[in-house]
Amino acid sequence: SQKIEQNSEALNIQEGKTATLTCNYTNYSPAYLQWYRQDPGRGPVFLLLIRENEKEKRKERLKVTFDTTLKQSLFHITASQPADSATYLCALGSRGFGNEKLTFGTGTRLTIIP
Amino acid sequence: SQTIHQWPATLVQPVGSPLSLECTVEGTSNPNLYWYRQAAGRGLQLLFYSVGIGQISSEVPQNLSASRPQDRQFILSSKKLLLSDSGFYLCAWSAQRHGGSPLHFGNGTRLTVT
Repeated sequence: SQKIEQNSEALNIQEGKTATLTCNYTNYSPAYLQWYRQDPGRGPVFLLLIRENEKEKRKERLKVTFDTTLKQSLFHITASQPADSATYLCALGSRGFGNEKLTFGTGTRLTIIP
Repeated sequence: SQTIHQWPATLVQPVGSPLSLECTVEGTSNPNLYWYRQAAGRGLQLLFYSVGIGQISSEVPQNLSASRPQDRQFILSSKKLLLSDSGFYLCAWSAQRHGGSPLHFGNGTRLTVT
């Protein structure tokens, strides 16, 4: 069965360093991958989308990579700040299907330590 | 700009009581609408989605139902709540159904069934 794993439930990073979050998947050939940020008690907020034919996407201090050979996506936050502390979710989408087939990971709770 | 409203923010209901959660979207027309449930330690689970008025697709059989009486209104209901219905319910919309169209979430309803 399809499985998505986000590297760890919680990750603590010193302020100013680069935070790297991992999203691994098995038994899946996603056509695209999305990353969301979720603050406690709030709904997720869309951050970035990367498609299977793209290796890397950037948005300000955020960078996402997508390696279909390794079946992995890495999400980087450079020059991390305490305000970046949140839970980050990856979501994988299937070719030929809409958002109704989007599969979410359980998330990684990132804490940036001042 | 588009906004999504979801209410109530929290709800405590006894087992066997009915449920009605409402979601409305502003600033867009003919959105695709979704109801998700998020349980602790688990990924977002899609419950229902709708591509138009009166068109509802169910992803998970359960004692919940959904309705879309107006273009930008999505309602989640139950006639009799179960303890297992407790969770964080999220409404979302996307501009298009096709894969990769970002989901925009409301801030959720924390439902506790006692």
